[in-house]
Amino acid sequence: KQEVTQIPAALSVPEGENLVLNCSFTDSAIYNLQWFRQDPGKGLTSLLLIQSSQREQTSGRLNASLDKSSGRSTLYIAASQPGDSATYLCAVSNFNKFYFGSGTKLNVKP
Amino acid sequence: SAVISQKPSRDICQRGTSLTIQCQVDSQVTMMFWYRQQPGQSLTLIATANQGSEATYESGFVIDKFPISRPNLTFSTLTVSNMSPEDSSIYLCSVLGGGRAEKLFFGSGTQLSVL
Repeated sequence: KQEVTQIPAALSVPEGENLVLNCSFTDSAIYNLQWFRQDPGKGLTSLLLIQSSQREQTSGRLNASLDKSSGRSTLYIAASQPGDSATYLCAVSNFNKFYFGSGTKLNVKP
Repeated sequence: SAVISQKPSRDICQRGTSLTIQCQVDSQVTMMFWYRQQPGQSLTLIATANQGSEATYESGFVIDKFPISRPNLTFSTLTVSNMSPEDSSIYLCSVLGGGRAEKLFFGSGTQLSVL
């Protein structure tokens, strides 16, 4: 069964720092990988989706990469801001089945 | 993309009562999902809501506890029945969109507290 792991579970950084969040998965037979942001008590907002044939996707200050063969993805956040404080989750999919990591809780200090 | 309206956004309920959560999508979608997120944990799929037929429940979830309706391709409800404090969670409605990309979109969530 697919297992998705996110490390670290929590991260606290000063404003302006560049940072990397990690996501690993055990079964490389995925269709895509999606990164989400979740604010406390709220739903998930999609940030980036990488299809299995792609290596990376970029949106503004966010860049997500995918190495399917090694079962890894990273989310790079450039020039972090206090408004980036949230929990970031990754999810992999295959045949409309989705597997979520437990998230990385990010705190960006002013 | 899909825009999902989920209601209520939060509620505090008494033990033994039931709460119905509504999910409205701005476009027709085939696949709708209901997830539960217990405090500090990741998402667990409750069921897949199928239009015109009974929902498909995941292991550990039963229809008597979590009845689901899907009357059309834009709307679904999840009822949490006979609630106990262990049902305190965030409940999330999700739809599959993005064409062939298998992209998930989520509603804003319902934060439920059971006393």
